[in-house]
Amino acid sequence: AQRVTQPEKLLSVFKGAPVELKCNYSYSGSPELFWYVQYSRQRLQLLLRHISRESIKGFTADLNKGETSFHLKKPFAQEEDSAMYYCALRVRGLTGGGNKLTFGTGTQLKVEL
Amino acid sequence: DAGITQSPRYKITETGRQVTLMCHQTWSHSYMFWYRQDLGHGLRLIYYSAAADITDKGEVPDGYVVSRSKTENFPLTLESATRSQTSVYFCASHTGDGKNIQYFGAGTRLSVL
Repeated sequence: AQRVTQPEKLLSVFKGAPVELKCNYSYSGSPELFWYVQYSRQRLQLLLRHISRESIKGFTADLNKGETSFHLKKPFAQEEDSAMYYCALRVRGLTGGGNKLTFGTGTQLKVEL
Repeated sequence: DAGITQSPRYKITETGRQVTLMCHQTWSHSYMFWYRQDLGHGLRLIYYSAAADITDKGEVPDGYVVSRSKTENFPLTLESATRSQTSVYFCASHTGDGKNIQYFGAGTRLSVL
């Protein structure tokens, strides 16, 4: 069965320090992974998708199929990065082209001054 | 941001009462989803819908009922609320365009006393 694991409930770093939020997945099919972010008092929103291979707000994430990981990284943390981060896995296609996502339990990132 | 709205934002009810949470989207997205967000569990899918009059169960459907008579609305009903249903509920929608991006509402915080 599909599963997304985020081992850290809370990650606390100092401003300017590197950040790595861990995400591991278990899925028998071809994986498609996402990072979603929820800033305080804001709705959950997409941060990045592995298929886009882009950097958003300085964050990057590389899909490592050998290690079944999709860790989120940023070289220098900023105070505004403090938020809840969710890793998500596209589970299967739905009729008509839609998809379901399985989410991890989330990691709260706290960037301290 | 006003594309998907949830109401009410906050709700307090008592055990045994019926409660309906509303979700409305203006994008004409085919797919809509209901999640609950709980500490330690992350986001779990309750129900989803691929189109009007097409709904299906997610990971945790027990105690919930959905309907989708119109594309833009996807109400979630707790038929007889229990304390274990105290949670934050998120509605999301998805175009089915292959990008697999879900767009979330602001959430409804429900307390069952």
